[in-house]
Amino acid sequence: DTGVSQDPRHKITKRGQNVTFRCDPISEHNRLYWYRQTLGQGPEFLTYFQNEAQLEKSRLLSDRFSAERPKGSFSTLEIQRTEQGDSAMYLCASSLAGVENIQYFGAGTRLSVL
Amino acid sequence: DAKTTQPPSMDCAEGRAANLPCNHSTISGNEYVYWYRQIHSQGPQYIIHGLKNNETNEMASLIITEDRKSSTLILPHATLRDTAVYYCIDGGSNYKLTFGKGTLLTVNP
Repeated sequence: DTGVSQDPRHKITKRGQNVTFRCDPISEHNRLYWYRQTLGQGPEFLTYFQNEAQLEKSRLLSDRFSAERPKGSFSTLEIQRTEQGDSAMYLCASSLAGVENIQYFGAGTRLSVL
Repeated sequence: DAKTTQPPSMDCAEGRAANLPCNHSTISGNEYVYWYRQIHSQGPQYIIHGLKNNETNEMASLIITEDRKSSTLILPHATLRDTAVYYCIDGGSNYKLTFGKGTLLTVNP
């Protein structure tokens, strides 16, 4: 257990539905990251927050994706109008500023869009 | 795209040392090399990092060549629980990790 928790662990949804995932980072970590991982590939960066500010978004993060970290603690990632191509593992990680490349990952949320 | 190259897979006998190579020929002088691993159905786990000196911690040792163009992660006594995908990452960003496909290490009994 890394101390980063994600909920749910698995989500099955129908195409066109909206889904929301939650990530609770290690409490003293001010940076929070979202990655996406498809089968056979390494994780790909989506976005990150420092405290409550979203500082960077990948071009992978289409307009249907939105992430928030309202109080600088937990974060949510919402996907609207899901598509089959959204099926993937969504990973959350956290770190301390200053040691950004030592990130602690949660176990991920596996999304299946039917 | 990842700026490191690793073999897609390796095998190791349980109890033997596992030596995982990585090429990072474009790494800059002040960029660290990071190693992570991902056990099946889990998120990636940080292992070790280094700049130019060899490093050792409770999980592994990291050997970086003098020209810094390659490195080797060493698991001194591999166990079945070390079966995982191992990723070598150069620390070129201060906010994201760029993963390649990594090396699938299979530890055999």
